[in-house]
Amino acid sequence: GNSVTQMEGPVTLSEEAFLTINCTYTATGYPSLFWYVQYPGEGLQLLLKATKADDKGSNKGFEATYRKETTSFHLEKGSVQVSDSAVYFCALSPGMDSNYQLIWGAGTKLIIKP
Amino acid sequence: KAGVTQTPRYLIKTRGQQVTLSCSPISGHRSVSWYQQTPGQGLQFLFEYFSETQRNKGNFPGRFSGRQFSNSRSEMNVSTLELGDSALYLCASSPDRVKNEQFFGPGTRLTVL
Repeated sequence: GNSVTQMEGPVTLSEEAFLTINCTYTATGYPSLFWYVQYPGEGLQLLLKATKADDKGSNKGFEATYRKETTSFHLEKGSVQVSDSAVYFCALSPGMDSNYQLIWGAGTKLIIKP
Repeated sequence: KAGVTQTPRYLIKTRGQQVTLSCSPISGHRSVSWYQQTPGQGLQFLFEYFSETQRNKGNFPGRFSGRQFSNSRSEMNVSTLELGDSALYLCASSPDRVKNEQFFGPGTRLTVL
């Protein structure tokens, strides 16, 4: 079946550190992949997406590349800020095979210390 | 465009009561999904409505139900509330089921005493 696995949190980093949050997936066919972010007390916001293999999604300094050979969609940022502290969710849309239902990772809490 | 709105934002109920939560999607969005978010269980999918029809359903008991109106607004209802129903309930709308890019509201924080 379809599934998403994220690295467990919390991930604690100092400001200006390099960030990687791992996300791997299992899916049949050609899913679309997403990263969502949830800031404290808010709903989720789409951070970036990729719809086919080798696509790179980017937004607000974050990047993720759709790697079909390793079934991964790792989130990276070169220099994190305190304001990046949030929970990050990886998700996939399997498409018609699964009636379009999004499959979600468990979320990774990121804490950035000044 | 206005974002997804959810009402009420906060709600306190007692066990055994029922509750109705409302979600207004972004104008033009026809798909509305509901999620339950708790610290222990993470983000759990409840159901999705598209064109007034339930298209997907998560693994929740029948006490959880929903509906969608012709203007795409959606409501979810929980009957016979239990302590474990305390959670943040999130609504998300999408313009297109195929691309499935979801836009979330701020959520309704339900506390069951």
